[in-house]
Amino acid sequence: LAKTTQPISMDSYEGQEVNITCSHNNIATNDYITWYQQFPSQGPRFIIQGYKTKVTNEVASLFIPADRKSSTLSLPRVSLSDTAVYYCLVGEFSGYALNFGKGTSLLVTP
Amino acid sequence: ETGVTQTPRHLVMGMTNKKSLKCEQHLGHNAMYWYKQSAKKPLELMFVYSLEERVENNSVPSRFSPECPNSSHLFLHLHTLQPEDSALYLCASSLTSGGYYEQYFGPGTRLTVT
Repeated sequence: LAKTTQPISMDSYEGQEVNITCSHNNIATNDYITWYQQFPSQGPRFIIQGYKTKVTNEVASLFIPADRKSSTLSLPRVSLSDTAVYYCLVGEFSGYALNFGKGTSLLVTP
Repeated sequence: ETGVTQTPRHLVMGMTNKKSLKCEQHLGHNAMYWYKQSAKKPLELMFVYSLEERVENNSVPSRFSPECPNSSHLFLHLHTLQPEDSALYLCASSLTSGGYYEQYFGPGTRLTVT
């Protein structure tokens, strides 16, 4: 499984755009990049997934450069309810499961 | 509501007790997972079942015994646990096993071993 590195914590004010970058230098050709969100005492929830370039959904955008050695999760105009831990995962299509690292703890304040 | 339910939500047990955690998914998925999340630690994958067959056992002690009687139900049988086994136990399911497929998590069982 490709190893991922992301900041331990980030702080933001309400209404700002938050970008969380994840490094995955040894990503393999078959690997997809997936981001999950977890609130305290709850299970993680899928946010977005991509393979290359840019992916956007109603919640976030995911930017992946051509070399795919990193990715950036972008959360537009965060609110207090976006305070959570965000996990970057890299997993191959045919592998069994994903490896959740320590994640990035995002704190949004007024 | 993710379509994955877990019972009980909270469990306190002594080290000599035997208990079971139950997970049920209503999504028609073929893969199910058990994760452990200790305080201040990342999620640890424990077991993976694909089409009711165990396909991964992530070096979990034998005091944890999984059971998957069908593709909708997953159990984790617990016996002679240690205090360090106190954690949030999460069940998840996905369409099929694989890093590509979105995993749907249940709310978890908060286990305390005394």
